[in-house]
Amino acid sequence: DTGVSQDPRHKITKRGQNVTFRCDPISEHNRLYWYRQTLGQGPEFLTYFQNEAQLEKSRLLSDRFSAERPKGSFSTLEIQRTEQGDSAMYLCASSLAIDEQFFGPGTRLTVL
Amino acid sequence: LAKTTQPISMDSYEGQEVNITCSHNNIATNDYITWYQQFPSQGPRFIIQGYKTKVTNEVASLFIPADRKSSTLSLPRVSLSDTAVYYCLVGVLGSARQLTFGSGTQLTVLP
Repeated sequence: DTGVSQDPRHKITKRGQNVTFRCDPISEHNRLYWYRQTLGQGPEFLTYFQNEAQLEKSRLLSDRFSAERPKGSFSTLEIQRTEQGDSAMYLCASSLAIDEQFFGPGTRLTVL
Repeated sequence: LAKTTQPISMDSYEGQEVNITCSHNNIATNDYITWYQQFPSQGPRFIIQGYKTKVTNEVASLFIPADRKSSTLSLPRVSLSDTAVYYCLVGVLGSARQLTFGSGTQLTVLP
């Protein structure tokens, strides 16, 4: 399968814990995006990378959130000191330049 | 910021043509219009993108009037598997503005 993959698919954690998600984009895609989606809402943009450079961050990305894309390949999204309001589906997408985005299956986070 | 407005939900029957309209009164000159489809528990999937007039691909058509203040996604002969949420996005390609999803339109196709 050469699509976008995300790991883990599901994560349950207790409030206050740190969590890290991984995204592996389609191999030749140089752009990588992170979104958050809550029930009944559309995906909310968090941040995106062109190669290893983080080009834009949403206001939603508080100081508890950090994303990296070392070497311009896979990316990680870390949430520190999780809160119940962080419970959501975290989606990753990749694209070639500014072309259509290809989304992964998402990581569903539940904060207890 | 080009805000988009779509109907919350629509129902249709198998075999019918479905048209979903998106309003974007504040669209800017460099903005493109993009539609995505999303099934439950999956990431969105790109359907079609256009700037003006009409664009057609193997799954849908996109109609954009001259003033570009609205656009219509047309799905020919829908089937039960087309039941999904459809999102309209407006913005400059590659910008965060173009990456803003609204609440979408829940299309339900009935047998």
